[in-house]
Amino acid sequence: RKEVEQDPGPFNVPEGATVAFNCTYSNSASQSFFWYRQDCRKEPKLLMSVYSSGNEDGRFTAQLNRASQYISLLIRDSKLSDSATYLCVVNIGGYSTLTFGKGTMLLVSP
Amino acid sequence: DVKVTQSSRYLVKRTGEKVFLECVQDMDHENMFWYRQDPGLGLRLIYFSYDVKMKEKGDIPEGYSVSREKKERFSLILESASTNQTSMYLCATPGEGTDQPQHFGDGTRLSIL
Repeated sequence: RKEVEQDPGPFNVPEGATVAFNCTYSNSASQSFFWYRQDCRKEPKLLMSVYSSGNEDGRFTAQLNRASQYISLLIRDSKLSDSATYLCVVNIGGYSTLTFGKGTMLLVSP
Repeated sequence: DVKVTQSSRYLVKRTGEKVFLECVQDMDHENMFWYRQDPGLGLRLIYFSYDVKMKEKGDIPEGYSVSREKKERFSLILESASTNQTSMYLCATPGEGTDQPQHFGDGTRLSIL
C-alpha cells in the first residue's frame, strides 16, 4: 500500500467553482500534515499546514481525520491562478522526513 | 523567510561525468534534504543530513553521495552520471521542530546525455 495516496486528476473546473481534493495516508504514527502547491517546472511551495481541528486560510480549507487517516483540501471560488498540482505531505516524525503524495492536478478554466 | 539556494537551475552533463549539485540555506538549520522528482513518481528522498558531517540514506541513495562540511551547505554528488539520473533535483530544509514544513530551493533540472 502506498504511503500517501492522491487522485492524480486532472480536475477540470470553471472559474468560481468549489473543488475538493482528498488524500489518504497509511502510517498511523504520522504527526504533521501539509498541503503544498507546485506550479509547472517550479519547486513545491507550502500552501498550508493541516491541523486536527481543521483550518482555513481565505478560500482554502484543510481538514484532518486521524481515525480514517484522511486529509482534505477545499478550494472555494476557484481562480485561474489556482491551476497547479497540489501535493499532500505527511511527516511521521524524526528529522522532519516528509512523505509526499504524487499530487493532484487542478485546471481552472475561464 | 527561509532562503534555500541551489547553484544551478539547468545543467547538462555527459554520461560518466562526476556531477556536483550545491545547496545553501541561510537559516542555520540542522536538517537538509535532497529529493528528485520525476513524472508519475513524485518526490523521492535521496539523502538527508541532520548535522555537519552527518548523513542518512533516503529511499533511493544508489548512485549518489552527499557532503555536509558546513552547516549551511549540502552537496549532492553523482559519482558517475547515468541517463536514468536525468531529473529535477530539489534541496529542502525544514524549520525547527517536527511539525515544521520544508522549504525548497528552486530546483536543478539536470539532463544527462
